Amino acid sequence: AQSVTQLDSQVPVFEEAPVELRCNYSSSVSVYLFWYVQYPNQGLQLLLKYLSGSTLVKGINGFEAEFNKSQTSFHLRKPSVHISDTAEYFCAVSDQGPGGFKTIFGAGTRLFVKA
Amino acid sequence: KAGVTQTPRYLIKTRGQQVTLSCSPISGHRSVSWYQQTPGQGLQFLFEYFSETQRNKGNFPGRFSGRQFSNSRSEMNVSTLELGDSALYLCASSLAPGGQGGEQYFGPGTRLTVT
Repeated sequence: AQSVTQLDSQVPVFEEAPVELRCNYSSSVSVYLFWYVQYPNQGLQLLLKYLSGSTLVKGINGFEAEFNKSQTSFHLRKPSVHISDTAEYFCAVSDQGPGGFKTIFGAGTRLFVKA
Repeated sequence: KAGVTQTPRYLIKTRGQQVTLSCSPISGHRSVSWYQQTPGQGLQFLFEYFSETQRNKGNFPGRFSGRQFSNSRSEMNVSTLELGDSALYLCASSLAPGGQGGEQYFGPGTRLTVT
């Protein structure tokens, strides 16, 4: 069964510093990959997605992620973070199993941006 | 296009009671998934409905049930509430079952507190 591992539960970083949030998934023939962000007291919203094509995917708010098939990773990066980026970030994988397509979420990484 | 709506937004119930939560997906979306989010367990998949049929179910007791109507609106019911059921319940809609390579759109959630 597919699984998603977000390697860091919390990531503290100073404002304007770069950040990388790590995500690994278990191997599959083909997968679709997503990063979602959740601000306090809100639902999740899509940051970016990889369906096919270029392995470097650009999303909203200056975030980007790189799909690495050999390492089964989909790490999220931002070159310079803002205080407003403080939120919880979820990596998700959608693939086709015996029961059809299913989306699995990682446990989340809480990003704290400090002034 | 209106987003995913969930009602009510907040709910306080007593142990042993039952509760019904409602979710209206984005117009045209036929898949509705439910998730339970708690600080300790993260985002856990409850079940997914597509065209009024339950497609997938997570590892939750039978006290958790759901249904979907012909207009794609979905309800989730929890009977005999326990303290551990206190959580944010998120609903997500998508065009195809399991996301099928596309993203899910989340509602703001219903915050359930069981006392």
